[in-house]
Amino acid sequence: QVQLVESGGGVVQPGRSLRLSCAASGFTFSTYALHWVRQAPGKGLEWLALIALDGSNINYADSVKGRFTISRDNSKNTLYLQMNSLRAEDTAVYYCVREGGLEMGPVPPFDHWGQGTLVTVSS
Amino acid sequence: EIVLTQSPATLSVSPGESATLSCRASQSVRSNLAWHQLKPGQAPRLLVYGASTRATGIPARFSGGGSGTDFTLTISSLQSEDFAVYYCQQYDTWPRSFTFGPGTKVDIK
Repeated sequence: QVQLVESGGGVVQPGRSLRLSCAASGFTFSTYALHWVRQAPGKGLEWLALIALDGSNINYADSVKGRFTISRDNSKNTLYLQMNSLRAEDTAVYYCVREGGLEMGPVPPFDHWGQGTLVTVSS
Repeated sequence: EIVLTQSPATLSVSPGESATLSCRASQSVRSNLAWHQLKPGQAPRLLVYGASTRATGIPARFSGGGSGTDFTLTISSLQSEDFAVYYCQQYDTWPRSFTFGPGTKVDIK
């Protein structure tokens, strides 16, 4: 079955960097677009970034544009999120999310989520 | 940016009863609206997409409706495992961006 396993979270000081990884299995990784979504403590869900199946199209939320970089390695079935210049307000659980295929319609929804990895930005 | 509002913020329901959750978009998202379920310590789960299509493996007691700006998720005969937080999400925007509603918590009455 589809599995998305995030790693790389932890405690980091403000202004520092962190790279999250998401290891995927159970599907043909290179044929799906992928996203990062986060949930700050006590808050709702916030979409952060999208990467197309071949990495040719990338889009970011304004809140992280210029600081975060999404990338993927289709040979390793892994999605990444490089987070720079971290702030206290970046403290959240970060989820790796798969976008469904075209069998779900011309504009597919998010169809599978990982369990998330916690990032805490604190001095 | 398309803003989603959800009501109520909290819904207290007894097991076996039904619950109807609402989601309103600030502008039309056509039928590009999904519902996700979040429980502590678990991976979020897609319930409904295309406003009314149940995702694979989702029980028939979950049903979605609406189009344009007004949507509902109805859970009939609530089971213990249904007590969770439910988020609506639009995926209609181009260039592609995505927004979530603030969530509705369904708890035990």
